[in-house]
Amino acid sequence: SAVISQKPSRDICQRGTSLTIQCQVDSQVTMMFWYRQQPGQSLTLIATANQGSEATYESGFVIDKFPISRPNLTFSTLTVSNMSPEDSSIYLCSVRTNTEAFFGQGTRLTVV
Amino acid sequence: RKEVEQDPGPFNVPEGATVAFNCTYSNSASQSFFWYRQDCRKEPKLLMSVYSSGNEDGRFTAQLNRASQYISLLIRDSKLSDSATYLCVVFSGGYQKVTFGTGTKLQVIP
Repeated sequence: SAVISQKPSRDICQRGTSLTIQCQVDSQVTMMFWYRQQPGQSLTLIATANQGSEATYESGFVIDKFPISRPNLTFSTLTVSNMSPEDSSIYLCSVRTNTEAFFGQGTRLTVV
Repeated sequence: RKEVEQDPGPFNVPEGATVAFNCTYSNSASQSFFWYRQDCRKEPKLLMSVYSSGNEDGRFTAQLNRASQYISLLIRDSKLSDSATYLCVVFSGGYQKVTFGTGTKLQVIP
């Protein structure tokens, strides 16, 4: 299993600012995943963060808007840049094995 | 067509009732299947894996039908604490791709 510590758990931000979300895993993992979950929706993959290389972004998500860092095998950050109210959502980091996906506690972001 | 489809509900059932959720998936090469539970304002957590032979854990039974590309979850003797959103989750692409259904919301009523 894996235990993921994610912070902040929530934040209210002004439009035009940026927020960095951090995830710390209690074991070394090759890939970490960042998801967005909008109200009443399921999880949408933003990007896959690999240690030592650039993150791989899904269609509709770009590095300038969601820069990701992966400095080592247990840690990753996701930044939501130049925020607008449409970015209000829950952001989740995740790691997985062949048999299970594990999630951080989520960051509830509200942009005003 | 979405890769993983679920009835969003909500399912409002009385305590003690039996309720069943269904999920269909479009990728016939999908390899592993799971039901996750997500409580309000919480992260998803694994409820149970789903196998063709069926999988039972107490009041919960999960079933996979590969021919019909269909997954089910049966909850017997519903409890108030079962109120949550149940996500159908499919692993494919050598376990590199994880696809989530939109979730089915269950509300158990006293």
